[in-house]
Amino acid sequence: LAKTTQPISMDSYEGQEVNITCSHNNIATNDYITWYQQFPSQGPRFIIQGYKTKVTNEVASLFIPADRKSSTLSLPRVSLSDTAVYYCLVGDEPGRRALTFGSGTRLQVQP
Amino acid sequence: DADVTQTPRNRITKTGKRIMLECSQTKGHDRMYWYRQDPGLGLRLIYYSFDVKDINKGEISDGYSVSRQAQAKFSLSLESAIPNQTALYFCATSDAGEETQYFGPGTRLLVL
Repeated sequence: LAKTTQPISMDSYEGQEVNITCSHNNIATNDYITWYQQFPSQGPRFIIQGYKTKVTNEVASLFIPADRKSSTLSLPRVSLSDTAVYYCLVGDEPGRRALTFGSGTRLQVQP
Repeated sequence: DADVTQTPRNRITKTGKRIMLECSQTKGHDRMYWYRQDPGLGLRLIYYSFDVKDINKGEISDGYSVSRQAQAKFSLSLESAIPNQTALYFCATSDAGEETQYFGPGTRLLVL
């Protein structure tokens, strides 16, 4: 399984755009990149998934460069409720294997 | 996610006791997972099951066992609980061919 590296923590203010980058240098051809969000004492929640280029949904955007060795989760205009831990996961063919969660990035949004 | 339920939500037990944590899902997914989370850390996979007849060890299966009683039910047992198994335990499900996992609310376990 591809190993991922993320910053341990990030701070931001309400209304700002937040970009969290994840490194996955040994990503395999069939691997997808998935991001989850976790609030305290709750299970992680799926945010977005992509394979290459850019993916956007109502919550976030995911930017993946051509070499796919990194990815960036972009949260537009964060609010206090976006304070959470964000996990980047890389896995091979969807659902083929269970994924490994790292320690994630703890995002703190200040007023 | 209300489609994935875990019982009990909180449990206090003593060292050496055998306990069972239960997970049920109404999503109709074939795949189910058990994770543990320690304070300030990410989730670590204990066991997973891709269908009723399939059981696989995860990163940290020692001291745990599982039972997949039906498509909708996946139980985690601690054979002889020890204090370092104190953690938050999550059950999750996913559909075959999809990466997205849906998590239950968690069970907070304290082993004295």
